[in-house]
Amino acid sequence: KNQVEQSPQSLIILEGKNCTLQCNYTVSPFSNLRWYKQDTGRGPVSLTIMTFSENTKSNGRYTATLDADTKQSSLHITASQLSDSASYICVVSEGGSYIPTFGRGTSLIVHP
Amino acid sequence: DGGITQSPKYLFRKEGQNVTLSCEQNLNHDAMYWYRQDPGQGLRLIYYSQIVNDFQKGDIAEGYSVSREKKESFPLTVTSAQKNPTAFYLCASSIDRGRKTEAFFGQGTRLTVV
Repeated sequence: KNQVEQSPQSLIILEGKNCTLQCNYTVSPFSNLRWYKQDTGRGPVSLTIMTFSENTKSNGRYTATLDADTKQSSLHITASQLSDSASYICVVSEGGSYIPTFGRGTSLIVHP
Repeated sequence: DGGITQSPKYLFRKEGQNVTLSCEQNLNHDAMYWYRQDPGQGLRLIYYSQIVNDFQKGDIAEGYSVSREKKESFPLTVTSAQKNPTAFYLCASSIDRGRKTEAFFGQGTRLTVV
């Protein structure tokens, strides 16, 4: 069964600090991996999308990496801001069907 | 504005009643999806549709029904057969189901059974 595991489940950091969120998956065959940001009570918004041949993708202060051999991805947030407080969801799509499997998300809280 | 709109934002339902959640998109996307989100869990796929007048069951379709009579609209009905309907429901659309396709989400409908 395809699975996407995210860690940590929750994280609290001080404003201005960096942090890294992890995503491990067992989805096979692999199509793409996406990171979404979801504010409380809102729909998820896409941050990055990576296919097999891409091992890093940046979007402002967000940088995602992908190691397709070890089936791991990370999302690095630089110089965190209060507005970064949200849930970050890793989504991996299966090749062929493109059916996505969602991780449970990492809840990030940025304190002033 | 182009986008995907869900309504209502909050919905209360009495036990035993059916209720329909609206999802409309003006992005000219072919594919549309309904997900359910419960606290501490990942999004779970209820139904999806790749083309008008066609849809497929997702992982948790029991107790739900959908229709896709128009490209822009994909309403979800939560029937009385759904045992635990209280949840946050998200609708999404994508241009197709290709390799680099990005899904755009609506703002969600929070359904509470009272």
